Amino acid sequence: GENVEQHPSTLSVQEGDSAVIKCTYSDSASNYFPWYKQELGKRPQLIIDIRSNVGEKKDQRIAVTLNKTAKHFSLHITETQPEDSAVYFCAAAARGSNYKLTFGKGTLLTVNP
Amino acid sequence: GAVVSQHPSRVICKSGTSVKIECRSLDFQATTMFWYRQFPKQSLMLMATSNEGSKATYEQGVEKDKFLINHASLTLSTLTVTSAHPEDSSFYICSARDFDGSADTQYFGPGTRLTVL
Repeated sequence: GENVEQHPSTLSVQEGDSAVIKCTYSDSASNYFPWYKQELGKRPQLIIDIRSNVGEKKDQRIAVTLNKTAKHFSLHITETQPEDSAVYFCAAAARGSNYKLTFGKGTLLTVNP
Repeated sequence: GAVVSQHPSRVICKSGTSVKIECRSLDFQATTMFWYRQFPKQSLMLMATSNEGSKATYEQGVEKDKFLINHASLTLSTLTVTSAHPEDSSFYICSARDFDGSADTQYFGPGTRLTVL
């Protein structure tokens, strides 16, 4: 089955700096890669996703890049703000698996004011 | 995005009792819903895939007789934890798959915190 590795497990940045979280996946059939933000005790919120037919997607301060050959994808947050502090999860899914998501272990992002 | 509700948000029960958790897609029909369990400071672990009108598909190591899943309509799936024990205490989250004609997206419910005494 699919295996998703996520790094780093914790990340601390100063407000205004950029943050980058990286994930690798093992199943070459995976073609959907969402990123979720989860605040303590809350539901995971979809913040951005990318499908395998594109290499990059951007939404304001958030961008995701995908390298299918190397089987890795990354989340980039620019101009970080304290409210960006949360746990971020990457995930991978394949159409053939009913789009069942396999999650990375998560990254605790702390943005210091 | 689409909205998924979950009820109850929190439940405390005695060991040996059964607990039912409901997951509803409020503004879309979901032929597929997923049930996850999340322990503190850990990632989401998929328990089972719930398909409307058919039996759920369970992940390896998840007891289907202990975690009963029913997906009787396109907007409702239920998870029943039978004969709950303290080790079943966890945060249970459902998600619903929304297909808009061109792309699939999963939206999560707010979760149910189960505490078994």
